[in-house]
Amino acid sequence: KQEVTQIPAALSVPEGENLVLNCSFTDSAIYNLQWFRQDPGKGLTSLLLIQSSQREQTSGRLNASLDKSSGRSTLYIAASQPGDSATYLCAVVGHGYSGGGADGLTFGKGTHLIIQP
Amino acid sequence: NAGVTQTPKFRVLKTGQSMTLLCAQDMNHEYMYWYRQDPGMGLRLIHYSVGEGTTAKGEVPDGYNVSRLKKQNFLLGLESAAPSQTSVYFCASSFPSGISYEQYFGPGTRLTVT
Repeated sequence: KQEVTQIPAALSVPEGENLVLNCSFTDSAIYNLQWFRQDPGKGLTSLLLIQSSQREQTSGRLNASLDKSSGRSTLYIAASQPGDSATYLCAVVGHGYSGGGADGLTFGKGTHLIIQP
Repeated sequence: NAGVTQTPKFRVLKTGQSMTLLCAQDMNHEYMYWYRQDPGMGLRLIHYSVGEGTTAKGEVPDGYNVSRLKKQNFLLGLESAAPSQTSVYFCASSFPSGISYEQYFGPGTRLTVT
């Protein structure tokens, strides 16, 4: 059974710092990995998706990397801002029930990030 | 283009009552999903569907039923609600584009069972 772990569970840093959020997964047979952002009481916003054949994806100040063989991904946030405060979730799609990428996402429990002004 | 929408946004049920949550998507996606989110447990897959008329069980299917009679709609039913089903429910959809399978989420339904 796929398990996804996110470290740290919580992080508080001053504004302007660069930071790294970590995600690890136990089964390397994945279709893709998605990073999401969730604000309190809100839904999930997709930030980046890395396909299994890719090593990284970038969007603005965000960069996500994937090392499928070691079961690891990192989300790098450059020049953090108070508006980046949220919970960041990592999730993978595996080759489980249906044998294809239609399977649901397996989520980590998230990293709760606070950026201090 | 509304994306993924969920009805209702909030609901309070008494133990033993039944209800149906509606998910609708206007992106012509083949795949649809229901997840629940609980404190300390993260998001977990309840049921999913790979096409109209098909459904499959996820990680935590007990106490729920689903139907996908139309491609754009995915219904989640609670036949006899229990306090353990108090949660936030999210619907998602995706389309097989190459090997992407990116999932798009609705805003959630907050359900309290007393």
